[in-house]
Amino acid sequence: SQQGEEDPQALSIQEGENATMNCSYKTSINNLQWYRQNSGRGLVHLILIRSNEREKHSGRLRVTLDTSKKSSSLLITASRAADTASYFCATGLPNDYKLSFGAGTTVTVRA
Amino acid sequence: GAVVSQHPSRVICKSGTSVKIECRSLDFQATTMFWYRQFPKQSLMLMATSNEGSKATYEQGVEKDKFLINHASLTLSTLTVTSAHPEDSSFYICSARDAFTEGLNNSPLHFGNGTRLTVT
Repeated sequence: SQQGEEDPQALSIQEGENATMNCSYKTSINNLQWYRQNSGRGLVHLILIRSNEREKHSGRLRVTLDTSKKSSSLLITASRAADTASYFCATGLPNDYKLSFGAGTTVTVRA
Repeated sequence: GAVVSQHPSRVICKSGTSVKIECRSLDFQATTMFWYRQFPKQSLMLMATSNEGSKATYEQGVEKDKFLINHASLTLSTLTVTSAHPEDSSFYICSARDAFTEGLNNSPLHFGNGTRLTVT
């Protein structure tokens, strides 16, 4: 079942701008992960943040996690046309090896 | 990095025939693989968890006799869509974890590139 919900559903920005998307979830988690999917392809893992972490960086990506609000955000800085894709958050629950994916945010970066 | 190969990438078949999709972990061993279905502009719906050497675990509402899963080795899982119908047309994606080096929890999933199935 789907636990995470991304917001917004779609985002269109100019190259060079930052893109921010949010993920909210309902139950306690072990970790939260962000994935990218290019059209017609599989998903690529971007970053994993554990429940005891608050912020994590990877290149131009910055992820925050607020367990009290049950929410996470993904920031892509200095966006490029190649960042055009759908972004999904996925939650890992305690004692459960499955991941539950949200509905995704479609990001379009205009050149 | 861990690579998952999924084959075929596209398949068109006639209604009533069966289609087999393969998912291979190329450079790691995967005791557990996951099969998803994705409708256009929607999220991934977990269909089943494939366990090496044992029966797959199906999610509620997924017909196990319709979607046959075999996980015969630590690097290969197959999904067979039996007696396919047009409503089975979808994008099917597999994923796997490197269970031995990454563990089952707190580790990322490695995805295949998906299979676009069209049933005519």
